[in-house]
Amino acid sequence: QSALTQPASVSGSPGQSITISCTGTSSDVADYNYVSWYQQHPGKVPKLIIFDVSNRPSGVSQRFSGSKSGNTASLTISGLQAEDEADYYCSSYTGSTSSYVFGSGTKVSVL
Amino acid sequence: QVQLVQSGAGVKKPGSSVKVSCTASGGTFSSYDISWVRQAPGQGLEWMGGINPIFATPKYAQKFQGRVTITTDESTSTAYMELSSLRSEDTAVYYCARDLKDAALDVWGQGTTVTVSS
Repeated sequence: QSALTQPASVSGSPGQSITISCTGTSSDVADYNYVSWYQQHPGKVPKLIIFDVSNRPSGVSQRFSGSKSGNTASLTISGLQAEDEADYYCSSYTGSTSSYVFGSGTKVSVL
Repeated sequence: QVQLVQSGAGVKKPGSSVKVSCTASGGTFSSYDISWVRQAPGQGLEWMGGINPIFATPKYAQKFQGRVTITTDESTSTAYMELSSLRSEDTAVYYCARDLKDAALDVWGQGTTVTVSS
């Protein structure tokens, strides 16, 4: 099972909006609404910020939103803040092997 | 709120095995699956497998089939991940995480660093 494809890096200025893509296949992202997103600061434990494509866990800022179209899921961070500088990973259920797969990860930089 | 506490870091010889524990406190252990995820130095997250504590039915990523064993002990609210035939590429931080539902890992252990070196 190959990793989902994410851009290596995305950057933006404070206050701007950025979008991170996560491209999978018909066996995972396209066929299931089980896409999650995680934020990981350096040396820290990953944090769930989006599940089931577009749902936010309690306590997660509304500035984070998720969507999906076909085999590509997206995470949008609006009103970019310095604290958003981190690595972001998508993940999806994959029906072909009844398992989970993570994306390759995207480093977000706040200019 | 449930917390997951993992066993400590260790150094292992190539060819040996490592068993990492993950103990839940503050919640109902059997209500959710537990997943294991690893992260090699400077690399991304990699799902290894998971288990349903009630049915004790593990599922493994194809990459680790035959080399990983995931088990649970409901009496101590503990999940275990054992990885055998260790090689240097297995040097990583190993995390356990509660599987809220379908790839949504909402509570994570603190991570266990395993170093494979001769």
